[in-house]
Amino acid sequence: ILNVEQSPQSLHVQEGDSTNFTCSFPSSNFYALHWYRWETAKSPEALFVMTLNGDEKKKGRISATLNTKEGYSYLYIKGSQPEDSATYLCAFIEPDSNYQLIWGAGTKLIIKP
Amino acid sequence: DAGVTQSPTHLIKTRGQQVTLRCSPKSGHDTVSWYQQALGQGPQFIFQYYEEEERQRGNFPDRFSGHQFPNYSSELNVNALLLGDSALYLCASSLFLARGWSDTQYFGPGTRLTVL
Repeated sequence: ILNVEQSPQSLHVQEGDSTNFTCSFPSSNFYALHWYRWETAKSPEALFVMTLNGDEKKKGRISATLNTKEGYSYLYIKGSQPEDSATYLCAFIEPDSNYQLIWGAGTKLIIKP
Repeated sequence: DAGVTQSPTHLIKTRGQQVTLRCSPKSGHDTVSWYQQALGQGPQFIFQYYEEEERQRGNFPDRFSGHQFPNYSSELNVNALLLGDSALYLCASSLFLARGWSDTQYFGPGTRLTVL
């Protein structure tokens, strides 16, 4: 059973500070990685789909990088705002299991005003 | 344009009962996937439906079954409920890709099932 690990499990950040967290996945057979943001009482919202080693994607103050050779992706948030408070989930596409999505447990980000 | 909708929002059942959860996909989407999310864990894939057939299945027992209708909406049925089935059940819709999951999935708000 493949594991997708996210760290840290939770994170408290002061408003205005920048932060980042990690998604680790098996590096042996990469297809794609998804990042989602999930605010409390709302539906998970897609942020990025990462497919190529060295990919960098950006959406406003949020960006993500991908290293398929070492098996990790970073999500960065620049100048955190209270509306960034959410759980950030990554999901790895597992080619050897018929391309199922294997999800991490998420990083819960809390922005302190 | 309506996004993914799920019903009901909350549900309380007792052990041994059966439950049916419903999902309507985002307009234009033809594929529906179901996930179970227990507290403190990431979503676990249950199964995916396309063209009214179960196309993929995760590691869930046969007590979990589903259906997709011609209008692409879907149902998740769970028989003989166990306490451990208490979770948030998420539905996600997307466009079917012959290979892979690169297409973004759009999630509904979920159904919170409590089994007593």
